[in-house]
Amino acid sequence: GENVEQHPSTLSVQEGDSAVIKCTYSDSASNYFPWYKQELGKRPQLIIDIRSNVGEKKDQRIAVTLNKTAKHFSLHITETQPEDSAVYFCAATPNRDDKIIFGKGTRLHILP
Amino acid sequence: DTAVSQTPKYLVTQMGNDKSIKCEQNLGHDTMYWYKQDSKKFLKIMFSYNNKELIINETVPNRFSPKSPDKAHLNLHINSLELGDSAVYFCASSLGLAFYEQYFGPGTRLTVT
Repeated sequence: GENVEQHPSTLSVQEGDSAVIKCTYSDSASNYFPWYKQELGKRPQLIIDIRSNVGEKKDQRIAVTLNKTAKHFSLHITETQPEDSAVYFCAATPNRDDKIIFGKGTRLHILP
Repeated sequence: DTAVSQTPKYLVTQMGNDKSIKCEQNLGHDTMYWYKQDSKKFLKIMFSYNNKELIINETVPNRFSPKSPDKAHLNLHINSLELGDSAVYFCASSLGLAFYEQYFGPGTRLTVT
């Protein structure tokens, strides 16, 4: 079955700098890769997703890149702000009728 | 107009007790899920229902029994609670299985003493 590895487990960046979180997946049939953000004490919420027919997607300060050959995808946050502090989860799903597999999460700290 | 709601928000109980968590979604979605998030924040799927039919049943002890009376509701009943069941349980819903955005409920923090 699918396995999703996420790195790093913790990341601290200075406010205004960029943050990058990386994930790898094992099943080459995976074709949907969402990213969820979970603020302290809150529920996970989708922030961006990418499908396998696209290599990159941007939404304001957030971007996701996908390398299907290497089976890895990354979340990029530019000009980080205090409200970006949260746990971020990557995920992958092998096909439309299968379950979504989450990475173990990255705790992002934005330092003042 | 909460999209996915869960009750209760907090649940403190003793080992051996039986408890239930209720979930309701008003988004008209066909698929609902239960996730367990442990103290290390790992988010793991437990069950998935599509149109009231059980689709995914992970290797969860049979003390956990989900019930879906209709498409909008998915409840979780836990028998003979153990210390290791302490976690936050999230209900979620989506338009379909896996390929769609999942909308999570606020979570139920279960503490077993």
